[in-house]
Amino acid sequence: DIQMTQSPSILSASVGDRVTITCRASQSISNWLAWYQQKPGKAPKLLIYKTSNLEGGVPSRFSGSGSGTEFTLTISSLQPDDFATYYCQQYNDYFLTFGGGTKVEIK
Amino acid sequence: QLQLQESGPGLVKPSETLSLTCTVSGGSISSSSYYWGWIRQPPGKGLGWIGTINYRGTTSYNPPLNSRVTISVDTSKNQFSLKLTSVTAADTAVYYCGRLKDGRREDAFDIWGQGTMVTVS
Repeated sequence: DIQMTQSPSILSASVGDRVTITCRASQSISNWLAWYQQKPGKAPKLLIYKTSNLEGGVPSRFSGSGSGTEFTLTISSLQPDDFATYYCQQYNDYFLTFGGGTKVEIK
Repeated sequence: QLQLQESGPGLVKPSETLSLTCTVSGGSISSSSYYWGWIRQPPGKGLGWIGTINYRGTTSYNPPLNSRVTISVDTSKNQFSLKLTSVTAADTAVYYCGRLKDGRREDAFDIWGQGTMVTVS
């Protein structure tokens, strides 16, 4: 299986900050990577698919980049609604795997 | 608007079988080539893929769970189901059902159910 490693596991930031979360794959996954946002007690919400494609209704302050084994999720200007946990997921093969998550908390 | 809703017992005894159903509303489970899946999240932990099925019943399972998992589809009820046998406390989790985005077995989950907590005790 393909292991997905996210860093950092916890990120403290302030409203207005530019935030970057990294996801590394144990082998190349081309651009088959998604990012999700999850708030406490809620289901994950798809933000970005195929590395850099914004899901409908997702604010443009979210962006994704990368290829192969290294990927990033960037929030250009952190808003109060963005404090949550973020997960990456690879779908290069049928054995879907998620990263361990990055909690974005208020500094 | 398509919606998914999980249902099933919230408490299962060790060694017994966990059974959950995901009901799809706002669209037909068999009217398209979408794949559907189950994901779980132990308390305070991350997400784990359990398995995937399409309306024809073609399945893929997480290999470590393969011997205990069965996912099935009932197109007449617009539902798909999860059975996990011989459960232990390690199977305690919130269980989500979801739709894979673009009709591929390997894809992102674009629609999720609200999740249902299952405790093994």
